Amino acid sequence: LAKTTQPISMDSYEGQEVNITCSHNNIATNDYITWYQQFPSQGPRFIIQGYKTKVTNEVASLFIPADRKSSTLSLPRVSLSDTAVYYCLVGVPNSGYSTLTFGKGTMLLVSP
Amino acid sequence: DAGITQSPRYKITETGRQVTLMCHQTWSHSYMFWYRQDLGHGLRLIYYSAAADITDKGEVPDGYVVSRSKTENFPLTLESATRSQTSVYFCASQGVATNEKLFFGSGTQLSVL
Repeated sequence: LAKTTQPISMDSYEGQEVNITCSHNNIATNDYITWYQQFPSQGPRFIIQGYKTKVTNEVASLFIPADRKSSTLSLPRVSLSDTAVYYCLVGVPNSGYSTLTFGKGTMLLVSP
Repeated sequence: DAGITQSPRYKITETGRQVTLMCHQTWSHSYMFWYRQDLGHGLRLIYYSAAADITDKGEVPDGYVVSRSKTENFPLTLESATRSQTSVYFCASQGVATNEKLFFGSGTQLSVL
């Protein structure tokens, strides 16, 4: 079971790019990397998922190096509304509950 | 997402009472999950279900009971509530296809006095 390590918190200012790195040294061949976002008083929400190289959607980009032992969630030009907790998950979705460990996440605070 | 709903949104109960938290999803997702979220612990899995009548324990199942008689419903019961079960509870569902994402409900904030 691949465990993940993320920074506990990060600070940024509006308009800056934010990169949150997740370490997952024991990632398995079939594992995907998935990021969720959670606002206060809400359930987590899917942001992005990838297997290798780079994935981009309308919200974020996910960079995964060749060895896949880490990944970086990139949020371009953050705003105050991006203040949230971000979770990195590693595993094979639907292969069992053991892959769905959220951990404590990274608390991102965006200031004016 | 409106497809998964939890009720009640807030609940106050007393120690020793039985309380049931409801979760309903409209997507016919095979997988459903119950998490609890506490300060300093993040999200921890209580129980999960792979299909109707199939349930299994997660990381912190003690003191909880689940059932899944219908695909769309996954109630969580605290048989005899304790103060340590004061928490925010989230239900989630997931489809069966590879790399399907989780969809979460809005949560139930439970206080056990």
